[in-house]
Amino acid sequence: DSGVTQTPKHLITATGQRVTLRCSPRSGDLSVYWYQQSLDQGLQFLIHYYNGEERAKGNILERFSAQQFPDLHSELNLSSLELGDSALYFCASSVGKWGAYEQFFGPGTRLTVL
Amino acid sequence: AQKVTQAQTEISVVEKEDVTLDCVYETRDTTYYLFWYKQPPSGELVFLIRRNSFDEQNEISGRYSWNFQKSTSSFNFTITASQVVDSAVYFCALSEASNQAGTALIFGKGTTLSVSS
Repeated sequence: DSGVTQTPKHLITATGQRVTLRCSPRSGDLSVYWYQQSLDQGLQFLIHYYNGEERAKGNILERFSAQQFPDLHSELNLSSLELGDSALYFCASSVGKWGAYEQFFGPGTRLTVL
Repeated sequence: AQKVTQAQTEISVVEKEDVTLDCVYETRDTTYYLFWYKQPPSGELVFLIRRNSFDEQNEISGRYSWNFQKSTSSFNFTITASQVVDSAVYFCALSEASNQAGTALIFGKGTTLSVSS
């Protein structure tokens, strides 16, 4: 158990809908990262927050947004969902804001868009 | 641009065999970090090791060992006396220290290791 929690574990929804994925980092970690894992794209970085502020953006679509709250939990919002958004979404946390620190991953949320 | 290549897509071995998973990386930074993660069939990503670019010492942890060679930009992972529980997808990853965008992990495509009894 990495100490990172993600809810829900599974999510099934329809095209055009909006969903919110939630992540709670390990105690003491200030950084939260979001990654998407799909068969064709592999593991791709979406976005990084450190202590409530956005630090870096990766291949995140405009239909996707995220935020980190004062209690450090984070939410990833996915809207106008398409079939191709079906994937495993991971949240990871680390203690620092730089890439030097290992990231600990949550169990993931499996999103299925029908 | 940074890149991680895991040329071996799938490897199958029999229990007790040694197996080496290859990882080759590309980066223009002089300071960077390399990682290995394990993804068992249950799906979670488990952190195995982090290596700094300025520390080329090899590392051993039980049956696991890692060989870091800057001259060939490689960070290979060896499992000695493999066991069925080692069956998983293994990912090599890179992060750079020089800029904000480098905080993310850049993953290779992964190597699926199947260990049969």
